[in-house]
Amino acid sequence: GQQVMQIPQYQHVQEGEDFTTYCNSSTTLSNIQWYKQRPGGHPVFLIQLVKSGEVKKQKRLTFQFGEAKKNSSLHITATQTTDVGTYFCAGPWSGGYNKLIFGAGTRLAVHP
Amino acid sequence: EAGVVQSPRYKIIEKKQPVAFWCNPISGHNTLYWYLQNLGQGPELLIRYENEEAVDDSQLPKDRFSAERLKGVDSTLKIQPAELGDSAVYLCASSPGTSVHGELFFGEGSRLTVL
Repeated sequence: GQQVMQIPQYQHVQEGEDFTTYCNSSTTLSNIQWYKQRPGGHPVFLIQLVKSGEVKKQKRLTFQFGEAKKNSSLHITATQTTDVGTYFCAGPWSGGYNKLIFGAGTRLAVHP
Repeated sequence: EAGVVQSPRYKIIEKKQPVAFWCNPISGHNTLYWYLQNLGQGPELLIRYENEEAVDDSQLPKDRFSAERLKGVDSTLKIQPAELGDSAVYLCASSPGTSVHGELFFGEGSRLTVL
């Protein structure tokens, strides 16, 4: 069945270092969404990418959608302690039903 | 604007007991989702409603789980009887449209512990 995989599972960085998480789908996606979940919190929408090769920036966050629309990445420049949390990517299920399939997430820890 | 409201936030029950979770979506959001989130995992869809119709319940374990959204607004998810493996966070989400091209708004979740 369709899979959305994220690497790494965990990343520990020193404050000020950069961070990147990768998302790979077994099928071509019409779009990809990214969510952030703070410890003890709920997922919060960050962004949606739709076009092949699309790059979007939100302050220190840069999101990319691959040319083949099967992979995506989130890069954080100069991490801060407020970046702590788990980052999930999600893509539409190829079987229809307007269903989103979430990856397992990348947990980011930032040490001051 | 009020967000998605869920209750209870936490529930501890003995196995074989019933439990129910309630969700009130953002006003005007026609689509409501119940997701299951196990520790260290991403959310997994249990059921999706468009108004009062359950349009995708393929992942709902129907032998013990049930859900309803009678008036197309708030929704209840029930487990009866609960098993140890049901310990997880149950997330409710809503969206204004029916497409997967839109943002999901999640509630705070209901954390279930089955002893």
